[in-house]
Amino acid sequence: DTAVSQTPKYLVTQMGNDKSIKCEQNLGHDTMYWYKQDSKKFLKIMFSYNNKELIINETVPNRFSPKSPDKAHLNLHINSLELGDSAVYFCASSLRTDTQYFGPGTRLTVL
Amino acid sequence: GENVEQHPSTLSVQEGDSAVIKCTYSDSASNYFPWYKQELGKGPQLIIDIRSNVGEKKDQRIAVTLNKTAKHFSLHITETQPEDSAVYFCAASLNKFYFGSGTKLNVKP
Repeated sequence: DTAVSQTPKYLVTQMGNDKSIKCEQNLGHDTMYWYKQDSKKFLKIMFSYNNKELIINETVPNRFSPKSPDKAHLNLHINSLELGDSAVYFCASSLRTDTQYFGPGTRLTVL
Repeated sequence: GENVEQHPSTLSVQEGDSAVIKCTYSDSASNYFPWYKQELGKGPQLIIDIRSNVGEKKDQRIAVTLNKTAKHFSLHITETQPEDSAVYFCAASLNKFYFGSGTKLNVKP
């Protein structure tokens, strides 16, 4: 059983398109996150939700919009994709602010 | 906010040798310090963690030490094996995780 899952694993799209990445966790956690990992491997937090409420919103363009339909899901929608959005996006979850468990990542390539 | 620095950025060791990765943090209120291993094409996986009320923790070939006074913590891997080759991240947390920049460890057979 996968603890934190993401779909799709790979996403290749054209500049200007809109795309979504889905994340689900079956760990019973109440907090979920989105991270962006660039080509230099640096992990940068984008958003955090606790019990479906946004608690962390780093300096991220408003083209990025997270949505949490319930505690087990946190989706990321990206409008008007740009070349600089190419990266690996990781979803993670935790119980409150304790240990975070990461998903396998979604490699986004914008052409 | 918190600032976590991690060194070295790359580390190459011979199989069987030890590897040490060091991190420093700036916020003395941080109280939780996990270490993650990221293999190629996968997400970061927790390998060991330590809380601020403990100075050292060991799990088989992996150990972590914490010096709260100096605000630094280290990951020690003994008897390294080729499958230890990966990128390792440290993090410091109070209510939010702050990650180091990662160390690429290469274990040569």
